[in-house]
Amino acid sequence: KQEVTQIPAALSVPEGENLVLNCSFTDSAIYNLQWFRQDPGKGLTSLLLIQSSQREQTSGRLNASLDKSSGRSTLYIAASQPGDSATYLCAVRFDSARQLTFGSGTQLTVLP
Amino acid sequence: KAGVTQTPRYLIKTRGQQVTLSCSPISGHRSVSWYQQTPGQGLQFLFEYFSETQRNKGNFPGRFSGRQFSNSRSEMNVSTLELGDSALYLCASSLVGGIDEQFFGPGTRLTVL
Repeated sequence: KQEVTQIPAALSVPEGENLVLNCSFTDSAIYNLQWFRQDPGKGLTSLLLIQSSQREQTSGRLNASLDKSSGRSTLYIAASQPGDSATYLCAVRFDSARQLTFGSGTQLTVLP
Repeated sequence: KAGVTQTPRYLIKTRGQQVTLSCSPISGHRSVSWYQQTPGQGLQFLFEYFSETQRNKGNFPGRFSGRQFSNSRSEMNVSTLELGDSALYLCASSLVGGIDEQFFGPGTRLTVL
């Protein structure tokens, strides 16, 4: 079964700290991987999309990397701010499926 | 450019009733996907529509159905509601579906009493 795992489920850091969120997936045959942010009770905001041929993508203070062979992706957030507090979701589009398969998310709290 | 819109934002229904949710994709996007989000199961794929045809379907009972119109707007319907159908229903649009980037709407919060 194709699965996506995110550990830890929750993370609390002081403002200004650099942090890394982890995502692992069970099958290296993927089309792409997408990172999302979700605020409480809201929809998903797309942060970064990495195609299977890419190693990383950057947007502002965010950098996402992809290592297909090991089935891992990381989302690096530089100089964290309280406004970064949200749940971060990793979603993988496996070769054998058209839909996104989501991890359960990491709930991030950045303390002022 | 306007984002994905979903209506209504909140719904309260009782067991046995049926409900219809609506999704308007980003202008120019032809693929619409639906997902159910619950605290216990997380985000699960319901179905995807492209050019008015269901192209992919998740593992949900037949009570869950959908359709897409010629303007790419989509509706999903849930019949004979059960308590376990209480969830946030999210719609996502993309240009052609498949491997391109998906953009999500704010969701419809359905509560079944």
